[in-house]
Parts: sequence; structure tokens; C-alpha cells
Amino acid sequence: DAGVIQSPRHEVTEMGQEVTLRCKPISGHNSLFWYRQTMMRGLELLIYFNNNVPIDDSGMPEDRFSAKMPNASFSTLKIQPSEPRDSAVYFCASSATGYTEAFFGQGTRLTVV
Amino acid sequence: AQSVTQLDSQVPVFEEAPVELRCNYSSSVSVYLFWYVQYPNQGLQLLLKYLSGSTLVESINGFEAEFNKSQTSFHLRKPSVHISDTAEYFCAVRLTSGSARQLTFGSGTQLTVLP
Repeated sequence: DAGVIQSPRHEVTEMGQEVTLRCKPISGHNSLFWYRQTMMRGLELLIYFNNNVPIDDSGMPEDRFSAKMPNASFSTLKIQPSEPRDSAVYFCASSATGYTEAFFGQGTRLTVV
Repeated sequence: AQSVTQLDSQVPVFEEAPVELRCNYSSSVSVYLFWYVQYPNQGLQLLLKYLSGSTLVESINGFEAEFNKSQTSFHLRKPSVHISDTAEYFCAVRLTSGSARQLTFGSGTQLTVLP
């Protein structure tokens, strides 16, 4: 299996622009997580899906952030409009019933200028 | 809610020396415990985990961690480190029961192995 696949790996955008991050979980996994990593706040859980349904979105910073999982093999995290303080590495991870751990993608490094 | 505290943000150590990375957790219910490793510009990889049973767990590359329930700790150790062990290490917990499957991470410890 190719593991969790995230795209793009790097994104540089101007303040105010819309940004969409993409994630393909491991086939057969039914849980998907979006995390954000910054120097100041470390690894924060943004949102968690189970069977394509959002279970916990309490970590989503504000209304500018939205996440969707239209099917079991694809999820998006959208920021609109983007701000410089959104600059971070965004990780997607997936897991499955029978696994206790999560498997992480390589991350998307977002820079908002 | 559960939380994880990693007491050292940076640990420099010379090659072939022993190292211990400290992790304490707080939870009112039972948790699973994990150590993940992150190499530069990479995602997180599972290093080892404690689910139940023997309190000492080992990884394939010589790391070990011991679950101590009374001290709510899960410290990571290696008797002799290599340059290639230089990375950031994250301790994490997850509830053992219920529908919540998300991991809660500590702030990370940067291990730097010096020649």
C-alpha cells in the first residue's frame, strides 16, 4: 500500500486566497484525521471523521476552515480566506478498526504570505 | 480530557551514549500509549506502543519504553544512540474505550545525536 497520500506537498499562497489541501487515506481505513503542526502549538487535531462522518471538529480554528470527506478514499481541508497565521504543516492520518495507531501522510507545508 | 507532557524540548547526546526521553500523561480513564518519530520534512512514524500486558515494549531499532501506571509515565530509552536517531520524538495517548480514536500528542522532544 502507498500509505496516506497528501497533496500538494508544498503550497505558497497570498493572504486572502482560498487554499485546498487533499488527502487520500489508506484503502480500507475508516477513520481520518487532520492535524496541524506549528512551532508554537505543536500537533493539534483539527477534525476527525469516522466512516466519512465528522465526529469531532472542535479543533477547527474558525469558520474560515472547513473539511469534507465525500467518500472513503478522499478528504479535503479548505481555508478561505487564508491568513499568514495559517502557515503550518498540515497532516492527514488514517486508521481502521483493529488498529490502535494512526498512519500519517507526509504533510503539506502551507505558507501564506 | 487527556493530556501529554514531554518534559524536555531538546536533548543533545553524544553518539553511543544512552538517552531517555521523558513523557507523562494525564487521563481519568485508561489510555493506550504511543511514541512516534518524525524525521526532517517527513510525516510521523510509529516507533512503539503500549496497549496492555508487559509494561516494557520495544521497537525494532533498539528503543524501549516502560509504562508506569503509578507515575503515569511512558519514558523512551535507548542504551546506545546513533547519528541516524536524530529526529523529533512525540509521545501520544488514545482512549482505550468509546468511539474516540484520535491521538493526543505531547509537544515533542528534539533528539540530536552528536558525533
